[in-house]
Amino acid sequence: QQPVQSPQAVILREGEDAVINCSSSKALYSVHWYRQKHGEAPVFLMILLKGGEQKGHEKISASFNEKKQQSSLYLTASQLSYSGTYFCGTGANSNSGYALNFGKGTSLLVTP
Amino acid sequence: NAGVTQTPKFRILKIGQSMTLQCAQDMNHNYMYWYRQDPGMGLKLIYYSVGAGITDKGEVPNGYNVSRSTTEDFPLRLELAAPSQTSVYFCASSYARGANTEAFFGQGTRLTVV
Repeated sequence: QQPVQSPQAVILREGEDAVINCSSSKALYSVHWYRQKHGEAPVFLMILLKGGEQKGHEKISASFNEKKQQSSLYLTASQLSYSGTYFCGTGANSNSGYALNFGKGTSLLVTP
Repeated sequence: NAGVTQTPKFRILKIGQSMTLQCAQDMNHNYMYWYRQDPGMGLKLIYYSVGAGITDKGEVPNGYNVSRSTTEDFPLRLELAAPSQTSVYFCASSYARGANTEAFFGQGTRLTVV
């Protein structure tokens, strides 16, 4: 079942912060975050596993609330290079999680 | 390291034609996937494979077929192309189950059916 992402789109000025949310109606084992630039392939940012801790990647971090079946991606002091579409991918329990279900994406534009 | 390689990058098909989208990975990954991406809709899983000789349907398999004769290759076959199959197709692979580990994506094949 496709997770729901919000917001659908966001425009930031360079240096501002943003939060992208991802929620699922099903129990989750993992949440993945990918970024896709226009005309390119999605690129892996991070994975959060059930029972895992909040993770970070430079100025991009994420959290995973297992009870609420939600994850949030935090972009701090955004840079122009952060522009793109962000997808969350959710995995069911590890025994059946052969592939991810992706959300529709959040378009992020960082302007000078 | 090439990673995941897809060919062709672009293709225009006429309604009713058939074609095969090629996907190859050189990372010795057991798990491979085909997704299609339509504007504003995210990535939808078409088929996946957990190893050579083993394939299974994803969310949107109708109109497609796959085979996995080797670990490296996972071609996607479109039979009797229809305009609804106009999309960008991504092949991906992962070392372990998709829920557990990072997926590596190819550069995509942009297909137009006219």
